[in-house]
Amino acid sequence: EPEVTQTPSHQVTQMGQEVILRCVPISNHLYFYWYRQILGQKVEFLVSFYNNEISEKSEIFDDQFSVERPDGSNFTLKIRSTKLEDSAMYFCASSEREGRQPQHFGDGTRLSIL
Amino acid sequence: GESVGLHLPTLSVQEGDNSIINCAYSNSASDYFIWYKQESGKGPQFIIDIRSNMDKRQGQRVTVLLNKTVKHLSLQIAATQPGDSAVYFCAENPGGGNKLTFGTGTQLKVEL
Repeated sequence: EPEVTQTPSHQVTQMGQEVILRCVPISNHLYFYWYRQILGQKVEFLVSFYNNEISEKSEIFDDQFSVERPDGSNFTLKIRSTKLEDSAMYFCASSEREGRQPQHFGDGTRLSIL
Repeated sequence: GESVGLHLPTLSVQEGDNSIINCAYSNSASDYFIWYKQESGKGPQFIIDIRSNMDKRQGQRVTVLLNKTVKHLSLQIAATQPGDSAVYFCAENPGGGNKLTFGTGTQLKVEL
């Protein structure tokens, strides 16, 4: 069964450094998402992306965050200058179409900011 | 300040029994709902979905019930197995976009 893959599984970074989290969505999917889950808290929406543009973003997704689809298979989340509170699990998801469609998630990248 | 972690409600069932996991959603404009299963160290795994024009949908060993009047969603798992042990989340699409809003989650523990 096709799946969303994320790398690395664990990223440790010094505060203030830039970090790039990588995702390979399911190949025939057109909509891509990032969510995060701070330890012990709910899964929170960050951003959705379609046709090389952000289609929706949350208030968490401020100027420190950016997303990119650099080629036909990868989808990345960049955090420019990491803060301690960015420590969380970051999940990538994809869906075939928009709206009332299941979003399929990867196993996440655990980001630890020191 | 220090974040306070969520205290997950826990449902303990005997292997072979049926499980019912409940979820109250908040947005009356939500028109699409999904149940996800999350095992330790893994991402949310899609189980079943339902649109707001339905009140029941069945999958393999799972049934989702939707009560729009009281904004309540439930997931029924038949003949619960040890492999069903996980945290279960409901998620709602608040309508018109792609964002999913997740619930708190319920920890399901299956006892042998």
